[in-house]
Amino acid sequence: DGGITQSPKYLFRKEGQNVTLSCEQNLNHDAMYWYRQDPGQGLRLIYYSQIVNDFQKGDIAEGYSVSREKKESFPLTVTSAQKNPTAFYLCASSIRTANTGELFFGEGSRLTVL
Amino acid sequence: GENVEQHPSTLSVQEGDSAVIKCTYSDSASNYFPWYKQELGKRPQLIIDIRSNVGEKKDQRIAVTLNKTAKHFSLHITETQPEDSAVYFCAATFDNDMRFGAGTRLTVKP
Repeated sequence: DGGITQSPKYLFRKEGQNVTLSCEQNLNHDAMYWYRQDPGQGLRLIYYSQIVNDFQKGDIAEGYSVSREKKESFPLTVTSAQKNPTAFYLCASSIRTANTGELFFGEGSRLTVL
Repeated sequence: GENVEQHPSTLSVQEGDSAVIKCTYSDSASNYFPWYKQELGKRPQLIIDIRSNVGEKKDQRIAVTLNKTAKHFSLHITETQPEDSAVYFCAATFDNDMRFGAGTRLTVKP
């Protein structure tokens, strides 16, 4: 099946630890995105990438890092510098840029910091 | 920065009534405006979208209107059903990324 896969679905982390969330797509999409979802705040853009080896910061990039070494993969690292990392993280992809059409979302990863 | 404002944050209607959700955006260059529906515990999914060269688009019980001059767009759901209960997000494109409104939790009472 074609789609976008995030893992893990649930993740627990101790304060001070880095954690990496996986996002893989087999849709042959050029663009990929990471959003953070908190209650009452909708979806806030963390990072996005239009092409391999290139990515741009969104509105809330501080404390996060990404890489785009392969077209199909866009992992997100939540570093210890992120002050409030407990949230639901959504990865998405689109054929080309966001202007070209629909974003396809993964099922999300829920990160809890203990 | 660029942003999208969405109202109301919660909306409760009786089954069969209409629901309207409104959004405004800040960048006059935005040209693509999708609406996503997110059911509890699930991923957001596109339900309808509109481009800047169109003023209105309809798909069965849902419709979207766009006023580019005023920089606002709206989602209209007619003859609401309990399965329409969900969180709805509007969005607008800014350069090469997409920004979302804060969401509207719609509850349709049977």
